[in-house]
Amino acid sequence: RKEVEQDPGPFNVPEGATVAFNCTYSNSASQSFFWYRQDCRKEPKLLMSVYSSGNEDGRFTAQLNRASQYISLLIRDSKLSDSATYLCVVKRVSDTGNQFYFGTGTSLTVIP
Amino acid sequence: GAGVSQSPSNKVTEKGKDVELRCDPISGHTALYWYRQSLGQGLEFLIYFQGNSAPDKSGLPSDRFSAERTGGSVSTLTIQRTQQEDSAVYLCASSLEAGYAGWNEQFFGPGTRLTVL
Repeated sequence: RKEVEQDPGPFNVPEGATVAFNCTYSNSASQSFFWYRQDCRKEPKLLMSVYSSGNEDGRFTAQLNRASQYISLLIRDSKLSDSATYLCVVKRVSDTGNQFYFGTGTSLTVIP
Repeated sequence: GAGVSQSPSNKVTEKGKDVELRCDPISGHTALYWYRQSLGQGLEFLIYFQGNSAPDKSGLPSDRFSAERTGGSVSTLTIQRTQQEDSAVYLCASSLEAGYAGWNEQFFGPGTRLTVL
């Protein structure tokens, strides 16, 4: 079973729509959680960390459910510039140190 | 401040040749990771360096792949006898380790796009 699983999409939504991405992780020892954004032919960049109590950054809201090992990202009032691939990332201590595990990404296209 | 840098940004080589890819992590970051990403695919973990500890090489796909990190800073990924299936973007990331897990995220370099003809 993969460490991190995401719905690959693609999600095609109109401008102004609300869209939600989900992610599950398999190892309950995972400690830190992140959403990264990757634009076409660019490197991944941190969008936001995901805290246990949930957190919001402008139009973006992230939620964590440790009991269900589930992470979500909600984007409100979608903009054209939100079009990208969103990567769910989980961090935990492995035998060799702090290791990051990446989902394969969810593709979002915001349509005018 | 300066981010993670990688060189070259693009590399075209012939099948069977050796290539070296370089990564300069953010100053002070003790953890350094190499990944590769084929077109339209997710990130594939290759190798992880943490301080002076032995690297985690569990992701290297074959013995043609090796990496070094000198002085706890710059890293070089070497691919010997390149094959066409090695064509991908090779991404380097660094992270400020903070002991047990922590919220320190990875910062990625822009990648090296390798094309093996």
